[in-house]
This record gives sequence, structure tokens and C-alpha cells, in this order.
Amino acid sequence: QKEVEQDPGPLSVPEGAIVSLNCTYSNSAFQYFMWYRQYSRKGPELLMYTYSSGNKEDGRFTAQVDKSSKYISLFIRDSQPSDSATYLCAMKAAGGTSYGKLTFGQGTILTVHP
Amino acid sequence: NAGVTQTPKFQVLKTGQSMTLQCAQDMNHEYMSWYRQDPGMGLRLIHYSVGAGITDQGEVPNGYNVSRSTTEDFPLRLLSAAPSQTSVYFCASSYSLEGANNSPLHFGNGTRLTVT
Repeated sequence: QKEVEQDPGPLSVPEGAIVSLNCTYSNSAFQYFMWYRQYSRKGPELLMYTYSSGNKEDGRFTAQVDKSSKYISLFIRDSQPSDSATYLCAMKAAGGTSYGKLTFGQGTILTVHP
Repeated sequence: NAGVTQTPKFQVLKTGQSMTLQCAQDMNHEYMSWYRQDPGMGLRLIHYSVGAGITDQGEVPNGYNVSRSTTEDFPLRLLSAAPSQTSVYFCASSYSLEGANNSPLHFGNGTRLTVT
């Protein structure tokens, strides 16, 4: 079983829809939780970051972490065609031998139709 | 500011050939790493470096070598290419080791490698 599981989709929604992307994980040592966005033929770029449990909002994007359930989510409100991309969750334990070692989910392909 | 630059963008190799994927960053980042991205597998860490002269293995290091003689450059070498190494390779760097909000990973745009 993978340490991080993410539904690869693909997910197709109309413009203006609310999008929910999710990841589950098994390693209770993970403390840092990130969402990366990857456009076609490009490298991933950091979209959202959360440390430990809780919510974080940035414009139309909200990241949630529930460590008790080992479950993280990314919500996109008022989705736009420019949001069409692959979304990757990533996680990392704190310090020690985990330095720099992000564990990524498989990525969810999202398409937003005009 | 160029960020992380990877060359070449595309490469086709025959089984058994060797090659070096180049990665350079101009942000004076100490931490650099190589990932491969395969369908259904996400990004998997191959090797990483916490500074010049220091490298370590990631999750899938077999078949790959790295060196870090300068802060700027972190080449990835395939010694004897195999079809299983067909993938998209990404180089990434960050200011510090956390790779999180205050020090995100900056990725290059990838090298698409096919081994026949």
C-alpha cells in the first residue's frame, strides 16, 4: 500500500463549480502537508501549505488537514478554466532523516469546462 | 531569474546507452533533488543533496548516479539505460531542507526520456 493515496480522476467540472480534491495517508509522522499544481508540460509549483492540522484559505483555495483521520483536502471555489491542471498532494515528516523528502500522491487531473 | 533549468527537454536512448541529465539553479539553494514522474505513481525521489559534496539516496536510486561539485549544478547520470527508466525527470531545489511554505521546492520543467 502506498503511503499517500490520491484519486487520479480525471475530474471534469463546469466553470464556477466547487472542486474537492482529497488524499489519505498512512504515516502518522507526516507534519507538513502541501498541494502542488502542475500544468501540462511544466514542473509542479507550490499552491498551498499547511503545518499539522487545521484549515488554510488563500483566495479561492482552501486546504484542510485532519490528522486524526489521516485525510487532507483542497477545495477550489468558483473554479475557472485556468484551474485545469494536475493537482498533487505532498507530505513530509519533521526533521531527522526526513530532510527534504516529500512523499507525493499520484496526482488528480482536473479539467474545468467554460 | 531563470530558476531551475533542465536540459535536454526530450531524449531518446537505446537500452544500454548512458547519458547525463543536466540541472542548474541560480537561486543559491543548498538543497537539490531529482524526482521521476510516472503515470499512476506520482513523483518519486531518486537522489538528493543538502549541499556541495553531499548526496544521498531517495526512494528509487537504483540505476542512477549523482554528484554535487558546485551549489548550482546537480547532474543525474544513467549508466546503462533500461526501458523501465522511461519517465519524466524533474529536478527541484529549495533554500532550506523543509520544502514547505517558507522554503518551497522549485521545480524545473522536466526532461522527457524514452528508452527503447
